[in-house]
Amino acid sequence: NAGVTQTPKFRVLKTGQSMTLLCAQDMNHEYMYWYRQDPGMGLRLIHYSVGEGTTAKGEVPDGYNVSRLKKQNFLLGLESAAPSQTSVYFCASSYGQFSPYEQYFGPGTRLTVT
Amino acid sequence: SQQGEEDPQALSIQEGENATMNCSYKTSINNLQWYRQNSGRGLVHLILIRSNEREKHSGRLRVTLDTSKKSSSLLITASRAADTASYFCATDGAGGTSYGKLTFGQGTILTVHP
Repeated sequence: NAGVTQTPKFRVLKTGQSMTLLCAQDMNHEYMYWYRQDPGMGLRLIHYSVGEGTTAKGEVPDGYNVSRLKKQNFLLGLESAAPSQTSVYFCASSYGQFSPYEQYFGPGTRLTVT
Repeated sequence: SQQGEEDPQALSIQEGENATMNCSYKTSINNLQWYRQNSGRGLVHLILIRSNEREKHSGRLRVTLDTSKKSSSLLITASRAADTASYFCATDGAGGTSYGKLTFGQGTILTVHP
């Protein structure tokens, strides 16, 4: 099993450009999450999904949109990138049906917005 | 806002010594989890302790939880150079269905010298 994969691994954007980050998991997990990690800080939740076709806002959702059209994929979109969105983005998934919820993380996408 | 506060921010020890990291949080929790992050990589789940548990062991790891003080500690015994990483505590908040949303501390950077 590949676990949780993320594409791309690195990306540089100019201010105002848009992009989509893709997260895929092959563990049949119900729940999926997008986090961002900034230097010297822990992870902050952007959006999450509790099942195919559902999404919800996390702690820092502004400037991001998400979609979960298929159970195994969770997409994070930036419609108009800003320098403040320079960060490392992590996707995670969990079984979701039974508490507690151990999360499995992808390797991250390093995004720089100039 | 960050739920967890970790202490110390950085810890440097010699191989074979024990490493202790502390985490404090602000609100009631369902469970508390510890994750490890190697430089430039995703997070890896280490151990989970439920709110009704006081101590848990997994190999060289020992976690304690004191809900009255809203604090937890992670002890790594007989540390190895390979334990060098950042360690994060994460809380799954109580009160209704949390959907496994985690709130992370800012992490402790552990360096183990050979």
